[in-house]
Amino acid sequence: DAKTTQPPSMDCAEGRAANLPCNHSTISGNEYVYWYRQIHSQGPQYIIHGLKNNETNEMASLIITEDRKSSTLILPHATLRDTAVYYCIVRVGANYGGSQGNLIFGKGTKLSVKP
Amino acid sequence: DADVTQTPRNRITKTGKRIMLECSQTKGHDRMYWYRQDPGLGLQLIYYSFDVKDINKGEISDGYSVSRQAQAKFSLSLESAIPNQTALYFCATSDRQGADTQYFGPGTRLTVL
Repeated sequence: DAKTTQPPSMDCAEGRAANLPCNHSTISGNEYVYWYRQIHSQGPQYIIHGLKNNETNEMASLIITEDRKSSTLILPHATLRDTAVYYCIVRVGANYGGSQGNLIFGKGTKLSVKP
Repeated sequence: DADVTQTPRNRITKTGKRIMLECSQTKGHDRMYWYRQDPGLGLQLIYYSFDVKDINKGEISDGYSVSRQAQAKFSLSLESAIPNQTALYFCATSDRQGADTQYFGPGTRLTVL
């Protein structure tokens, strides 16, 4: 699986958009980008994933650059409850014969949403 | 009701004791996983199961064993607990098509004295 690089921490004002970057310059064509978050000591929570196209769901938007070497997770209107560690994970998709085993959580980005 | 539940939520035990952590899910998923998390670190996979008859070791299986009693239940045992097994333990589930979209339980905080 491709390695990812994320800033260790970011701050965001409540009500503003939070833009969390992730670099994955060695990503392969069959690898998806996944985002999870972990609110303090709770179980990680799946947010969104994508392959090439930008994706949006009720929680967030995922913007993947055309060369797929980086992506940005956007929380459009951050709230205090969005304070968490956000993990960017790159995985070979199951439909491409991916290992379908463990998710590798790096150190992520600690997002602090401030009033 | 939560889709993935873990019991107990907190446990303090002594070195050498046998401990069982239980996980149940109502999502109807085939796949279940056990992870541990040490303070300030990411999650490490202990064991995973793709169905009732399929159990696989993860990165750090030494000192642990598992049992998949049914599709909905996956238990983790520490046969003889040691202090460096003090950690947060998470159970997760996924279905076959969305294997990397995993749903996590609330965690069990285990302290081994």
